[in-house]
Amino acid sequence: QQPVQSPQAVILREGEDAVINCSSSKALYSVHWYRQKHGEAPVFLMILLKGGEQMRHEKISASFNEKKQQSSLYLTASQLSYSGTYFCGTPKEGSGGSNYKLTFGKGTLLTVNP
Amino acid sequence: ETGVTQTPRHLVMGMTNKKSLKCEQHLGHNAMYWYKQSAKKPLELMFVYSLEERVENNSVPSRFSPECPNSSHLFLHLHTLQPEDSALYLCASSSMQNTEAFFGQGTRLTVV
Repeated sequence: QQPVQSPQAVILREGEDAVINCSSSKALYSVHWYRQKHGEAPVFLMILLKGGEQMRHEKISASFNEKKQQSSLYLTASQLSYSGTYFCGTPKEGSGGSNYKLTFGKGTLLTVNP
Repeated sequence: ETGVTQTPRHLVMGMTNKKSLKCEQHLGHNAMYWYKQSAKKPLELMFVYSLEERVENNSVPSRFSPECPNSSHLFLHLHTLQPEDSALYLCASSSMQNTEAFFGQGTRLTVV
């Protein structure tokens, strides 16, 4: 079952903040975050592991709430280069938490304008 | 450049054609994947190969046939496709631990 991302889309002005959420109806072992710019390959941002620390990638950070079965991606002081579609991926149900069998959400389209 | 190379970048094929997509990585990874990305749909995992053995076949129709001859190469053989198979097909590779996957640029496939 795929994770649910919200919002579906967000438009920011440069310097503004945004939060993207990724929720699952099943227990989460880990959450993987990727960003895909238009016409390009998805690029890895970070992995959040159960019981692990909050992670950062430049000015992008993420948290993992096991109880809520949710991860949130925090984009602070957004830059034009942050524009793209953000995907979260979670281990496929029945895979025993295997990190190389991921199910992805539908993505959140982030647009940062000058 | 991610270190994962896919060819061709674009492919148009008829429903009766047979074609193959190629993926190559020299990152030393031991897991390789095929994903399908359609408009307004999430990335769909199709196949996973680990140490050259297929470990996942995600209910993919038999008109898609993967092949992994060695740890650096992955193919997706296509035959008698349908128009709804038109999509971006992405290859990725990773180690088998909790590490990132590197994606190729994808092959944009159009079935006519």
